[in-house]
Amino acid sequence: DAGVTQSPTHLIKTRGQQVTLRCSPKSGHDTVSWYQQALGQGPQFIFQYYEEEERQRGNFPDRFSGHQFPNYSSELNVNALLLGDSALYLCASSKRGTGQSPLHFGNGTRLTVT
Amino acid sequence: EDKVVQSPLSLVVHEGDTVTLNCSYEVTNFRSLLWYKQEKKAPTFLFMLTSSGIEKKSGRLSSILDKKELFSILNITATQTGDSAIYLCAVGATDSWGKLQFGAGTQVVVTP
Repeated sequence: DAGVTQSPTHLIKTRGQQVTLRCSPKSGHDTVSWYQQALGQGPQFIFQYYEEEERQRGNFPDRFSGHQFPNYSSELNVNALLLGDSALYLCASSKRGTGQSPLHFGNGTRLTVT
Repeated sequence: EDKVVQSPLSLVVHEGDTVTLNCSYEVTNFRSLLWYKQEKKAPTFLFMLTSSGIEKKSGRLSSILDKKELFSILNITATQTGDSAIYLCAVGATDSWGKLQFGAGTQVVVTP
């Protein structure tokens, strides 16, 4: 049973560039949430996708956008990268409608902006 | 504004000691409180506490939820070096499952 998988594991970008991170949810899950975890902090909610639509959004600027595909996988796009975007980006999946099932996290993508 | 506060921020203990981690919260429409363990990258799920389950135990780990005083405790007894990790507390609201509010975490170091 495959868990949540994310790619790439590490990424180095320059200020102003754009980046795309990818996530495949755990088998049987249909909802994907993205989190940003800066060094020494807890994860911060970016947004959630279900049925290929953004359902909830945290306090992140429009430079952060996403997409969910029919197979439930998801992408996180960040435009006009800033140094402050350097962080671990975590993807979490869950099964909607199954009550209060916990989120399952992937290993994350470590993004470094120079 | 919703917030989750964990304490202490870090601690160092010897193998065999007992560790108590604290998490206080203020969340509108509270639904559940979750504990995660983060060693390198992916936070791994430990416990979920709700109105219908305010005490959980698994091996040497246990957790309680006090909905009146708005806090939770995670206990680890007979600590081992493998317990060294960051422990994250997160709270979910009834109208926003998938959107968890996390605390900053408590870093636990268990020395031999």
